[in-house]
Formats: sequence, C-alpha cells, structure tokens
Amino acid sequence: DTAVSQTPKYLVTQMGNDKSIKCEQNLGHDTMYWYKQDSKKFLKIMFSYNNKELIINETVPNRFSPKSPDKAHLNLHINSLELGDSAVYFCASSHGLAGGSNEQFFGPGTRLTVL
Amino acid sequence: AQKITQTQPGMFVQEKEAVTLDCTYDTSDPSYGLFWYKQPSSGEMIFLIYQGSYDQQNATEGRYSLNFQKARKSANLVISASQLGDSAMYFCAMREVWSADGLTFGKGTHLIIQP
Repeated sequence: DTAVSQTPKYLVTQMGNDKSIKCEQNLGHDTMYWYKQDSKKFLKIMFSYNNKELIINETVPNRFSPKSPDKAHLNLHINSLELGDSAVYFCASSHGLAGGSNEQFFGPGTRLTVL
Repeated sequence: AQKITQTQPGMFVQEKEAVTLDCTYDTSDPSYGLFWYKQPSSGEMIFLIYQGSYDQQNATEGRYSLNFQKARKSANLVISASQLGDSAMYFCAMREVWSADGLTFGKGTHLIIQP
C-alpha cells in the first residue's frame, strides 16, 4: 500500500548512458514532482507536472525530461549522463497545483551514481 | 523569488530536552505555506507540520509545534521532549499558494539527540 513508489532504489551507470527512473503514486493526486538532492543534502525542485501544465526549473539541463503516461505516473528520463548527475532523486505528489496545505508525499528516493 | 534560510547546520541536544530549529523565509507573495520535513539516515522524507500564512494559530502536531512569527518571517520548529529517534536532518520548505512550482527548501539542520 505504498503511497509514492520509485524504481530503482539504486542506479549505477557509466557516463554517457541514458537511464530512466520510474515513479508511481496511488493517492489519486493530480500533481507530481521531481526533486534532486545533492551530496550536501540540498533539495531542489526539478519539475512540477499535472495534466495541464509542466513547470521546468530553468536550471535543469534539457538532458532531463519528465514523461507522464497517466496521472499516476511521472517518469524521469536522463540522457547522456554526466558525473554531476550523481545524486538522490525524489519523486513527490500532491493534490492540485495550488492550495495551501497541499502536503507533498515523497517517494523513497533513487540514488543515482554515475561513474 | 522565494528563499528559505536555516542557519543551524548542526545541533546536539540532550534527550528529553526541547529543541528549536530555526527557519526564516522571504517571499513577496502574501499567500504561502510553510512546511517542515524530517529526513532520517534511512533517507525518506517525512512530513511533520504545515503552517499557512493566514493561519491565526501556530500549528501543532503531537510533539511538534511551529513558532510562526509572520512579521519576522520566521517559522521555527519546536520539538518537545526530544527522543533518540528524532536524530535526523530537518528541512524547512515553502510554497506560494497560487504557484505551480514545487517546494523551495532550506539547506537543512542536522539534529543529533544525545542520551
């Protein structure tokens, strides 16, 4: 009965490869997010997405792209992986784009290591 | 632009003492929400407490309370009767209510509870 799930939990890959991280939520939320947590534990929003709007943080390289086959899924595709992409990536979801107490529920995170 | 500042990179506290984790924020939007999340060493992000900018009362959730001082733009987390299991990273975050963006996080405070 996991609320927000991500696969894989760990991902080790070579520079230059293309990889995907999957995210699924069973909470009936209509908005999903991807965050990156760097080695200093700093969390930064990468994307916010619902069925109407995709918000991309301007600092995110275009090698990163979210893809949503349906409201319950938001996958993260990364092309031409670089060493600096090594981080923990968190998926999250919430009700609605706006609204005050819309708590975001986080997935368990995916630790990506680029060699 | 939104900004969250957590000035305490690390804190050591004796078990059973109360703890105050500082958070100041900056936004030009009058409608916003403030969140605290806990990240234990296992890595998951756990929602603790929420405060809306128009809420008259300080938020409380069990041993957690939020000391909200709007004029000072501060939203400190207070943990009463600390326990060893409270040892973790704590993140303050903000979201403007009518924004489609995700949460803006502070850099976090690493809290260690000593027996």
